[in-house]
Amino acid sequence: DVKVTQSSRYLVKRTGEKVFLECVQDMDHENMFWYRQDPGLGLRLIYFSYDVKMKEKGDIPEGYSVSREKKERFSLILESASTNQTSMYLCASSLVRGGTEAFFGQGTRLTVV
Amino acid sequence: EDQVTQSPEALRLQEGESSSLNCSYTVSGLRGLFWYRQDPGKGPEFLFTLYSAGEEKEKERLKATLTKKESFLHITAPKPEDSATYLCAVLDNQAGTALIFGKGTTLSVSS
Repeated sequence: DVKVTQSSRYLVKRTGEKVFLECVQDMDHENMFWYRQDPGLGLRLIYFSYDVKMKEKGDIPEGYSVSREKKERFSLILESASTNQTSMYLCASSLVRGGTEAFFGQGTRLTVV
Repeated sequence: EDQVTQSPEALRLQEGESSSLNCSYTVSGLRGLFWYRQDPGKGPEFLFTLYSAGEEKEKERLKATLTKKESFLHITAPKPEDSATYLCAVLDNQAGTALIFGKGTTLSVSS
C-alpha cells in the first residue's frame, strides 16, 4: 500500500512564525501535492511538484513556498504565518506525470494564533 | 465557476435506505474521475477511478458510474460505518497533473 506520511497531526504556531510542514511518500511517486481544506471551500491546491527541484503554483500559492530536494519528500513552508492560514493541510502523491489517482496523508491541522 | 459540483451537500439516511450521490463536471477533456471517502479529521481515502462513459466500479456497498457529464456513487443498504464525506475529483486535459475536487457530500447513516 502507498503510504504518505505528514510530520505532524496538529500544530499551533504564532503569527509571523516561519512554519515547515513535511511530507514523505514511500512509493517512488513522481508527483506530490499540497492542498488546504476549509469548511465550505473544499480542497484547494497550493503547490505541486512533478520532479525533484521542480514546482508549479496551484490555485492559492500566495504566502506559501515549497521545497523538493529528494523525490520522496515535499515540504510546505509558510514564510510568515497569519491567522487566515489556519486550516487543514493535506499532502498527496501520484504515480506519473499526466496524473493518476492521488494518495493522501493523514493531514496536519494547523492553528495560527 | 466550479468545474466539479457535488450534490446534495448533506444526506441523512436510515440504515438500509439506498441512495445516490451526484458529481457533475464541466472540464474540457476528462482524463479520469475519482471518488474518495474522508472521515472527520483524516485525509481522503481513495475509492475508485473511472475513465470513460459507461464504466462502473464496485466495492462492498458502493458502486460508481460515469456518464459524459456526471458520475453517481450509489450506496446500497448503507450501514452507520458508511457515514463520511464523499469527495469527487477530476483530472482535466488542461489542468494537467493535479486533481480538481468538488466540495463533497456529507453522508450520515443512522441505525
